[in-house]
Amino acid sequence: AQTVTQSQPEMSVQEAETVTLSCTYDTSESDYYLFWYKQPPSRQMILVIRQEAYKQQNATENRFSVNFQKAAKSFSLKISDSQLGDAAMYFCAYRNPKAGSARQLTFGSGTQLTVLP
Amino acid sequence: ETGVTQTPRHLVMGMTNKKSLKCEQHLGHNAMYWYKQSAKKPLELMFVYNFKEQTENNSVPSRFSPECPNSSHLFLHLHTLQPEDSALYLCASSQLAGENEQFFGPGTRLTVL
Repeated sequence: AQTVTQSQPEMSVQEAETVTLSCTYDTSESDYYLFWYKQPPSRQMILVIRQEAYKQQNATENRFSVNFQKAAKSFSLKISDSQLGDAAMYFCAYRNPKAGSARQLTFGSGTQLTVLP
Repeated sequence: ETGVTQTPRHLVMGMTNKKSLKCEQHLGHNAMYWYKQSAKKPLELMFVYNFKEQTENNSVPSRFSPECPNSSHLFLHLHTLQPEDSALYLCASSQLAGENEQFFGPGTRLTVL
C-alpha cells in the first residue's frame, strides 16, 4: 500500500524568506503523480503544484517549486519569498494512475506553516 | 456560485439525530468524493462516485450513507453517529474519477455530542 509521510507537523518562516516542506512516500510503482495541496483557515483545499513521476524536471509554479527525488522517494515543496497569505496547512499527496482504488489520492498528515511578519 | 460548495458549514448533532450534508459542484465534473479530515490525521477517502455510480467505499460504517442523484450533487446522510465521527468532512470533484486534479469544497465541520 502507498503511504505518504510528512515529518514536520509545524514549520515557520519569516516573511520574504524561503521555506522547504518535506514529504516522503512509499510505493512500488514507477509511474505515479505527486501533489501539494494548501488548506488555509477557510478550509478549502487548493492544489498548489503537481509532478508526474516520469518527468525528470522539477515542477514550478511562480514562487512554489518542488525537489523531486524519485530514487529517494522524496517530494519537497519550496516556497520562495514567503507571504502572509501562504500561511496554511500543506498536504502532500500521491496518486497511482492505474485503475481502481489505487488511483485515488493518498494524503500525508500535513504541515502547518506559519508566516511571521 | 462557483467551484464546489458545501452546506452546512457547521453542524452539531446528537448521537440519535439524522442529518445530511450537501455538496454541489458547478464545474461540470463527473466524479465526486467524500473525505473525512480528523485532527492530526491524514485525509481519509470515504466514497467515490463516477457518473453517479459509487465506485469506492473505503470500509465506511453504514451510519454514513452517501447519495448521488446527479453528477452535480452529492449527499452524505448521517444516522446514529458516534463522538469519534466528529471531524471536517470535505467534498471534492474532478472531471473523471482518478483525474489528476480534484477541486475541494470548504468542508462541513461536524460535532457529534
